[in-house]
Amino acid sequence: QITLKESGPTLVKPTQTLTLTCTFSGFSLTTSGVGVGWIRQPPGKALEWLALIYWNGDEHFSPSLKSRLTITKDTSKNQVVLTMTNMDPVDTATYYCALAIIAAPVLGAFDIWGQGTMVTVSS
Amino acid sequence: EFVLTQSPGTLSLSPGERATLFCRVSQSVSSSYLAWYQQKPGQAPRLLIYGASARATGIPDRFSGSGSGTDFILTISRLEPEDFAVYYCHQYGSSPRTFGQGTKVEIK
Repeated sequence: QITLKESGPTLVKPTQTLTLTCTFSGFSLTTSGVGVGWIRQPPGKALEWLALIYWNGDEHFSPSLKSRLTITKDTSKNQVVLTMTNMDPVDTATYYCALAIIAAPVLGAFDIWGQGTMVTVSS
Repeated sequence: EFVLTQSPGTLSLSPGERATLFCRVSQSVSSSYLAWYQQKPGQAPRLLIYGASARATGIPDRFSGSGSGTDFILTISRLEPEDFAVYYCHQYGSSPRTFGQGTKVEIK
């Protein structure tokens, strides 16, 4: 069974750096074609893709947030870590991690999602 | 960047009715890389359709996807009470990946 779970602070202050961890099981980020992505959703708003890291270390970022984002993987711990610098109240959202397998048949759709973690940015 | 525009914003229907949701993409996208997700309040999105028309594991056959190029459709043939939710389209063939703004299917 494949599961993903996000963890991190629920409250951060403006200008601080957010660090979120996605801990997964049931698959390996050393397997060819496997990727883990991050998506966020402000309260009452739409989904926004943030970043994606693949088994081979290839990284992709949202252009509007690229300067603030870092994504890393720790295959020994089955974790993917997202950091976002210079947090602002507009970054208040539920942050999700999700599995993307670029092999057929899904070819990279976000197949399995974590439950999400709500992050509030406020002083 | 691919911009996805969903319509309508809200669809008010009764159980048993047919729902038709639209997703227009700002430039042609391979149908292999267009997905639909369902999201219920307080829950994570769930993959319904990938490759424009293939149902994900465990998705009932009342859900169907179609379309190509810039215009894609999600159809729910007969709405069940559990289908009232928000639906998002998503293109994943080009980086940056992008989502539509969502269509809410609500009970009339």
